[in-house]
Amino acid sequence: GESVGLHLPTLSVQEGDNSIINCAYSNSASDYFIWYKQESGKGPQFIIDIRSNMDKRQGQRVTVLLNKTVKHLSLQIAATQPGDSAVYFCAENIMNRDDKIIFGKGTRLHILP
Amino acid sequence: NAGVTQTPKFQVLKTGQSMTLQCAQDMNHNSMYWYRQDPGMGLRLIYYSASEGTTDKGEVPNGYNVSRLNKREFSLRLESAAPSQTSVYFCASRKDVLYEQYFGPGTRLTVT
Repeated sequence: GESVGLHLPTLSVQEGDNSIINCAYSNSASDYFIWYKQESGKGPQFIIDIRSNMDKRQGQRVTVLLNKTVKHLSLQIAATQPGDSAVYFCAENIMNRDDKIIFGKGTRLHILP
Repeated sequence: NAGVTQTPKFQVLKTGQSMTLQCAQDMNHNSMYWYRQDPGMGLRLIYYSASEGTTDKGEVPNGYNVSRLNKREFSLRLESAAPSQTSVYFCASRKDVLYEQYFGPGTRLTVT
């Protein structure tokens, strides 16, 4: 069935270091993936997305890597800052079938001073 | 441009009461969504609407109904609230496939 999961529920990273948040998905038909950031008391906010015809996409301080062979997605945040503290979700979509977007459970990123 | 707005922000209901959560977007987006978020469960899709006039079930539709009133508005109704429906409810919209979702601030619902 369709499911999106995460390897670690909590990740603690030293300020200034790089963060890597991982996500596994089970539906090989998924072809569009999104990372969201959710700060306490707020709705999720889009960070970056990637389509299945790509294996890497970069944004400002963030990079998403997609490994379709093992159905794995990761979000890399460079030079982690205190403002990066949040819960991060990956989500998947099967384009051209329906508009349903399914979220994983989330990873909380904790920044150590 | 307010983005996605939700009302109310907080609500307390007794078991068996009904209520409607309102959502509106001013971005001319085609698709709209309702999610619920419980601790440790992430966001679960309740219903979505790919375009005006269509609605489809998500992962957890039981106990809910929706109405896509027009392109701007997508409401979620609880006909007979149950304690298991205590959650934070998020509405989202997006322009079309291959575009990101924009989320509202959420409605915190408690059913006693």
